[in-house]
Amino acid sequence: DAGVIQSPRHEVTEMGQEVTLRCKPISGHDYLFWYRQTMMRGLELLIYFNNNVPIDDSGMPEDRFSAKMPNASFSTLKIQPSEPRDSAVYFCASSLARSMNTEAFFGQGTRLTVV
Amino acid sequence: AQSVTQLDSHVSVSEGTPVLLRCNYSSSYSPSLFWYVQHPNKGLQLLLKYTSAATLVKGINGFEAEFKKSETSFHLTKPSAHMSDAAEYFCVVSELTGRRALTFGSGTRLQVQP
Repeated sequence: DAGVIQSPRHEVTEMGQEVTLRCKPISGHDYLFWYRQTMMRGLELLIYFNNNVPIDDSGMPEDRFSAKMPNASFSTLKIQPSEPRDSAVYFCASSLARSMNTEAFFGQGTRLTVV
Repeated sequence: AQSVTQLDSHVSVSEGTPVLLRCNYSSSYSPSLFWYVQHPNKGLQLLLKYTSAATLVKGINGFEAEFKKSETSFHLTKPSAHMSDAAEYFCVVSELTGRRALTFGSGTRLQVQP
């Protein structure tokens, strides 16, 4: 398997524009996670899905952020409208929850810059 | 609720000397514990994980971690540092019940001096 695939790798956008980040989890994995990494706050969980259903979105910063998982092989994280403080690296991860010791596999991340 | 504390934000060692990165955890349930590594501008890679089969866990690249329940610690060690070990290291906790997502520590940046 190619691992978790995120696109784009880099995104530069102007304040107020809509941004969509994409993720393809590892085939067969039933959990998908979106994390955000910044210097100030480290790695924060934004939202996670189990079998395509959002389970916990308490980490989503505000209504400008939304995430969907229309099927088992695709998820999006959308920011509308974007703001400079959204600049960060966004990671998608997936896991197969067969046991309590299942690790998450991370994508390479999308570096978002909002100017 | 689960949480992780990495006691050092930066650690600097000389090449060939031992590495110790400290981690303490808090968990309401029996936790799963992991160490991830992140090289500059890269994603996160699993180093090792605690499976409850053994308290001393061996990972990739010569790293080890020892689970000590009495101390609620899961420190990462390596006998001899290599220049390629320079990276950021994250201690991570997960619980089987309750919130299933991983909770990350704040990270420890390891510098290796020649």
